[in-house]
Amino acid sequence: GAGVSQSPSNKVTEKGKDVELRCDPISGHTALYWYRQSLGQGLEFLIYFQGNSAPDKSGLPSDRFSAERTGGSVSTLTIQRTQQEDSAVYLCASSPPPGTSHYEQYFGPGTRLTVT
Amino acid sequence: DQQVKQNSPSLSVQEGRISILNCDYTNSMFDYFLWYKKYPAEGPTFLISISSIKDKNEDGRFTVFLNKSAKHLSLHIVPSQPGDSAVYFCAASPRRYSTLTFGKGTMLLVSP
Repeated sequence: GAGVSQSPSNKVTEKGKDVELRCDPISGHTALYWYRQSLGQGLEFLIYFQGNSAPDKSGLPSDRFSAERTGGSVSTLTIQRTQQEDSAVYLCASSPPPGTSHYEQYFGPGTRLTVT
Repeated sequence: DQQVKQNSPSLSVQEGRISILNCDYTNSMFDYFLWYKKYPAEGPTFLISISSIKDKNEDGRFTVFLNKSAKHLSLHIVPSQPGDSAVYFCAASPRRYSTLTFGKGTMLLVSP
């Protein structure tokens, strides 16, 4: 079946511009996560959506970052007034509903963001 | 403050031998541990997991060992194959359906 998809795969933007990154989770997965990986670092949690519950935004590094999830499916991560330190690979993951035997997260291929 | 640490940035192993990747954690609330494998330009792929009620979980060539008192886990790959060459991330969470805290990864190179 189809995995997690993300678009665009690469994005180059000028400092100060806004960007939107998109994630399509696996059908039927109720949880959706955003992480980012900066050069030489591990994955850093950004935001977590679970069903209709209020999202866990505790990982967002600043108020320039926001995310929404429409209809419990597609999610968009928005970064306003991008800075050079925002350059990273942004990864989206989804996982099955609670109560299933599998709780691992399935990752998309990521969006490589470069801020010049 | 790194809660999950992978102290070896890289590891080289010959084909057919055992690869042992190590991971240490500091947060005693972590109860679920996962290993992911990542190839360049791809997202991480789930490999194997273990919960704190177990000390070992095996899946084919991959075995994860957990020593909760030492806050240490390891991934064993036997026998190692060239296709195993990738970056391996250790991840942990306090609950089954929760965000993951990742280590920085270990790059494994398996040579023929």
